[in-house]
Amino acid sequence: SQKIEQNSEALNIQEGKTATLTCNYTNYSPAYLQWYRQDPGRGPVFLLLIRENEKEKRKERLKVTFDTTLKQSLFHITASQPADSATYLCALGSGSSASKIIFGSGTRLSIRP
Amino acid sequence: DAGVIQSPRHEVTEMGQEVTLRCKPISGHDYLFWYRQTMMRGLELLIYFNNNVPIDDSGMPEDRFSAKMPNASFSTLKIQPSEPRDSAVYFCASSLRRATTDTQYFGPGTRLTVL
Repeated sequence: SQKIEQNSEALNIQEGKTATLTCNYTNYSPAYLQWYRQDPGRGPVFLLLIRENEKEKRKERLKVTFDTTLKQSLFHITASQPADSATYLCALGSGSSASKIIFGSGTRLSIRP
Repeated sequence: DAGVIQSPRHEVTEMGQEVTLRCKPISGHDYLFWYRQTMMRGLELLIYFNNNVPIDDSGMPEDRFSAKMPNASFSTLKIQPSEPRDSAVYFCASSLRRATTDTQYFGPGTRLTVL
């Protein structure tokens, strides 16, 4: 069955360092992968999308890589700030599945001052 | 745009009672999704609609759960009768397929507690 795995443990990073979150998947051939941010008491918010034919995507301090051979995506936050503390979810999508996206369980990131 | 609107934001009810959760998607979006989020299972897709028609309800846990979308601007998720294990945060999300990215825009969620 399709499976998505994210860092199960919370990640604690010193402010200013680069945070790296991992998303691995099995039994799936996604057309694209998305990363969402979720703050306590709120719904997930879309951050970045990367397609299967793209190796890397950047947006300000965020960088996402996508390796379809390794079946893995890495999500980097450079120059991390306490305001980046949240839970980050990865989600896989396939154009053939009529908009059904499968979400990972998320990784909680804490940036300490 | 106000984004996806959900009501109520919090619901506390007793076991056996009927619960109705409401959602107004973003205007112009033609896909609507209902999710349930718990600590144990994360974010689970329950059902989704395209142009008001249910497409996939395989995630609906039991017959006690039902969802409707009578028009493009309104959907309900009903649980009857409710049970303590239904306690979770229920999210509604909408997306615009024409964008071909299927980015989903989530509402603030309804926190349901069944005593």
